[in-house]
Amino acid sequence: DVQLVESGGGLVQPGESLRLSCAASGFSVSANYMSWVRQAPGEGLEWVSVVYSGGNTHYADSVKGRFTISRDNSKDTLYLQMNSLRAEDTAVYYCIMTAPTLQIAYWGQGTPVTVSS
Amino acid sequence: QVVLTQSPSASASLGASVKLTCTLSSGHSSYAIAWHQQPPEKGPRYLMTLHSDGSHTKGDGIPDRFSGSSSGAERYLTISSLQSEDEADYYCQTWGSGMVFGGGTKLTVL
Repeated sequence: DVQLVESGGGLVQPGESLRLSCAASGFSVSANYMSWVRQAPGEGLEWVSVVYSGGNTHYADSVKGRFTISRDNSKDTLYLQMNSLRAEDTAVYYCIMTAPTLQIAYWGQGTPVTVSS
Repeated sequence: QVVLTQSPSASASLGASVKLTCTLSSGHSSYAIAWHQQPPEKGPRYLMTLHSDGSHTKGDGIPDRFSGSSSGAERYLTISSLQSEDEADYYCQTWGSGMVFGGGTKLTVL
């Protein structure tokens, strides 16, 4: 069975850093498109970043230069390094796997991040 | 950049059918989209991928009550025999340089 389990969320102060992890099972992270999507309280879904199967990465303008997406193929784990965190980064962060054919996708359960002084 | 437009809300009665719409921006009518469901206080779940010709592939365990169709730049999600657990936010999503989400439609089951 396919499963995605996020971890690493928590409460941090503005300007601090946090690293999120997403452990995958039932598939290979290197063979699929792996993304982070966030949802601020009461808001819709906002795409944050993607690492494609070929290794290319893209970021939303709101996080470019502050967040870094990466993956460890040997551990089938996706990461999101978040630096210089701001209050507006407060959200539940989800990882999502999309097959390169775009015919299937799986979501994790999410991990909450709160940035507040 | 492609933009997806959804109505903010929709409602229908228990046991009835409802058709939700997602509209692709001009010049992007050939794009496939995905539909995702998010029940209250829960995480999103992938429902299906829907192509411009109306063909669609559903996710694991998605009931037959959920179906998709297309017309031009419009992508539709039809839910028949509405049940209380179908009350949720529904998001359409496609790919540009990354994932692009519509604003979501809040479905109320009366």
